[in-house]
Amino acid sequence: QQQVKQSPQSLIVQKGGISIINCAYENTAFDYFPWYQQFPGKGPALLIAIRPDVSEKKEGRFTISFNKSAKQFSLHIMDSQPGDSATYFCAASIASGGGADGLTFGKGTHLIIQP
Amino acid sequence: DTAVSQTPKYLVTQMGNDKSIKCEQNLGHDTMYWYKQDSKKFLKIMFSYNNKELIINETVPNRFSPKSPDKAHLNLHINSLELGDSAVYFCASSQDGGGYGYTFGSGTRLTVV
Repeated sequence: QQQVKQSPQSLIVQKGGISIINCAYENTAFDYFPWYQQFPGKGPALLIAIRPDVSEKKEGRFTISFNKSAKQFSLHIMDSQPGDSATYFCAASIASGGGADGLTFGKGTHLIIQP
Repeated sequence: DTAVSQTPKYLVTQMGNDKSIKCEQNLGHDTMYWYKQDSKKFLKIMFSYNNKELIINETVPNRFSPKSPDKAHLNLHINSLELGDSAVYFCASSQDGGGYGYTFGSGTRLTVV
């Protein structure tokens, strides 16, 4: 059972454009939603995260939008740059319970920013 | 200073062998994890340790065993390696196990031939 569904699987965006990646979750107990960025040969690195008590969080060019009723959240990358080309993972956890179950990841989106 | 370091970075071994992957974190975090990333890049948790106690144990084969000599180390031992074990294994740590501020190592690519 895949608890976090991510789309699209791959995405090509022109430099300067907006990259949008979507995720949907099933477990309503999830209360922490991070996004990770992974470059080839490297481990995932935390990009930005949100808790369900807010509908949007922005950090620089990266914004998370969160819709609790729809059980969906998305990552927007504004003014996308070639250096943003990487694989992006959404994730979810039950942080309030101590997070013992760890992070549940989506299947990833391979993002390519064309110069 | 590397926050979460894993060794080796690459590991090629034959079926049936026993191998270990080491992980160390210098962040003072309370919880450490092992994740497996398959050929399709799907990340799935295998184990976590908090204060030397195994908290969760996903449905992984018992050929895999985590061992934590102290709070800063979580090693992964794999017995009787199989072709299907080929993957990238990531160690990670977090302060309180709540998922906040996970820090991942750079991974160990295991290839079983």
